[in-house]
Amino acid sequence: SQQGEEDPQALSIQEGENATMNCSYKTSINNLQWYRQNSGRGLVHLILIRSNEREKHSGRLRVTLDTSKKSSSLLITASRAADTASYFCATDGNEKLTFGTGTRLTIIP
Amino acid sequence: DAGITQSPRHKVTETGTPVTLRCHQTENHRYMYWYRQDPGHGLRLIHYSYGVKDTDKGEVSDGYSVSRSKTEDFLLTLESATSSQTSVYFCAISDGRVSYEQYFGPGTRLTVT
Repeated sequence: SQQGEEDPQALSIQEGENATMNCSYKTSINNLQWYRQNSGRGLVHLILIRSNEREKHSGRLRVTLDTSKKSSSLLITASRAADTASYFCATDGNEKLTFGTGTRLTIIP
Repeated sequence: DAGITQSPRHKVTETGTPVTLRCHQTENHRYMYWYRQDPGHGLRLIHYSYGVKDTDKGEVSDGYSVSRSKTEDFLLTLESATSSQTSVYFCAISDGRVSYEQYFGPGTRLTVT
């Protein structure tokens, strides 16, 4: 079964707007990761946040983690057409990751 | 992309035939993983390896076997392909020393007719 569940399943925004997607998970984690997948390609690691961190930034990406609510959010600021992709959260435990079902983000030029 | 390749990239096969997919890495990473990706299911782990000849089952291992005789190669075998195994298969690697951040291959699209 999936550990992480992303919300929303799909999101369309205008270029330049911010995009926020959420991830909820069920069990305790060591860290949580976000990945991007462009159509027809493999996943690419974006950012990792550890269980003792609350917020992390990388370029236009901002990730938050609330372990009390077992949830994380990924914010992409000033979106670009190239950000069109699917985004997955993954939780880390016992040598392997468990992925959610993803959020499909479409940036409208 | 990290030094990880998959072969073949596309394959069409008939029900009941055995199929082997290959994952090759040049990063000397300890961990290797096989996933399948299907609409509505995200990525599901089939099998993974934590060292040469060391493998373990994932969430959806029935009908699949794996082998890892060298650090760089991880083979996934469908013993007798079924239509339900039509999917996109991804290999991933991780060094596992600090975290299990994974690097993915380009994928293999398998169609079982």
